[in-house]
Amino acid sequence: QLVLTQSPSASASLGASVKLTCTLSSGHSSYAIAWHQQQSEKGPRYLMKLNSDGSHNKADGIPDRFSGSSSGAERYLTISSLQSEDEADYYCQTWGTGIRVFGGGTKLTVL
Amino acid sequence: QLQLQESGPGLVNPSETLSLTCSVSGGSISSSAYYWGWIRQPPGKGLEWIGSFYYSGTTYYNPSLKSRVTISVDTSKNQFSLKLSSVTAADTAVYYCAREPTRNYYVDYWGQGTLVTVSS
Repeated sequence: QLVLTQSPSASASLGASVKLTCTLSSGHSSYAIAWHQQQSEKGPRYLMKLNSDGSHNKADGIPDRFSGSSSGAERYLTISSLQSEDEADYYCQTWGTGIRVFGGGTKLTVL
Repeated sequence: QLQLQESGPGLVNPSETLSLTCSVSGGSISSSAYYWGWIRQPPGKGLEWIGSFYYSGTTYYNPSLKSRVTISVDTSKNQFSLKLSSVTAADTAVYYCAREPTRNYYVDYWGQGTLVTVSS
């Protein structure tokens, strides 16, 4: 079964870096994912598509502070030089034949 | 600039059918480059995929909702619709329409969402 697992919460200080993790279920380590950001009281925004080799394609307007990487079944979103507006929920998403799956989301707090 | 706008009743009675429409501007739902779909988010919870379709007629639904969901298309109006039958309070959520690139079925564009409350 295709499942994405995310830690419920993360925190980091203003100006620091943070690395969020999304883990693919067993047998699906070659799958690409997408990262989405949802700020408080807003709809989600697509950030990037991240491939299993770590290559990624960011959406227009996404700052260079956002980057993606991969290792095995883990997919990462790294945000550097954290700003207050980066405080948000971050969701990963993947897909298979006839199905789309979202992770449970990580709530990022900027201290 | 692509725009996706959800519309429909904000309040639905239990056991009735929820109906929403997504109006697309700045792009065509008949494009071979994209799928289009619906995602929902109950208050305070995460995102749940409902279903997606391709203009040619291919449609996929979340297995957990499949028996109650229908997605239909009106290419003349560049709109697509969601019907969810036999709703309960558990179907209360913000409903988003979205675009997905063909062959890589992630959401690359989201509508702003519309809150639907199921209550008598």
